[in-house]
Amino acid sequence: GAVVSQHPSRVICKSGTSVKIECRSLDFQATTMFWYRQFPKQSLMLMATSNEGSKATYEQGVEKDKFLINHASLTLSTLTVTSAHPEDSSFYICSARVLLEGYTFGSGTRLTVV
Amino acid sequence: KQEVTQIPAALSVPEGENLVLNCSFTDSAIYNLQWFRQDPGKGLTSLLLIQSSQREQTSGRLNASLDKSSGRSTLYIAASQPGDSATYLCAVRSGGGADGLTFGKGTHLIIQP
Repeated sequence: GAVVSQHPSRVICKSGTSVKIECRSLDFQATTMFWYRQFPKQSLMLMATSNEGSKATYEQGVEKDKFLINHASLTLSTLTVTSAHPEDSSFYICSARVLLEGYTFGSGTRLTVV
Repeated sequence: KQEVTQIPAALSVPEGENLVLNCSFTDSAIYNLQWFRQDPGKGLTSLLLIQSSQREQTSGRLNASLDKSSGRSTLYIAASQPGDSATYLCAVRSGGGADGLTFGKGTHLIIQP
């Protein structure tokens, strides 16, 4: 089946710095990718929809200036957490929709801000 | 706004038992429903995808049913094995052109050897 590769799997950064997470579709083109966040013991929450060649669409309550999304090609979407704070520590995971297969997910990124 | 609820939140059973995980959603106007498995600290593995026009899907020891009108889905796991231990997530893609999925909080399943 279709594979989405996500890197890094874990990252620890200092408060105030920025972190970039990459999500690649390996064997298919993804015009749209989705970014989710998962806090401990909570469900995955959709943060934003990333559209190739255009601006991302953010869910209500998600700061677009803090979570920068770039989808510059049909196989790569990036999420940059800017000026990270400890409360941004979470599990971030990307997804793409695959025809007839539903959604496929990356392996996720555990972000810890210290 | 679509809401997805999964019951039970946690389940621990001996190996070999058949079990049922439940999922309910508030808005029946869905496009499809998908069951996933999530291992600790890992991404999601798709188990079954049920389109809104379908009643059930089967894959190996897994069977998922969908009753769209009542807003319910069940995941049936036959002859459970310790390797089935994981968190099982139910997610719906709502209709009306909505993109992205709405997830439940999951059922944390432990199969005792």
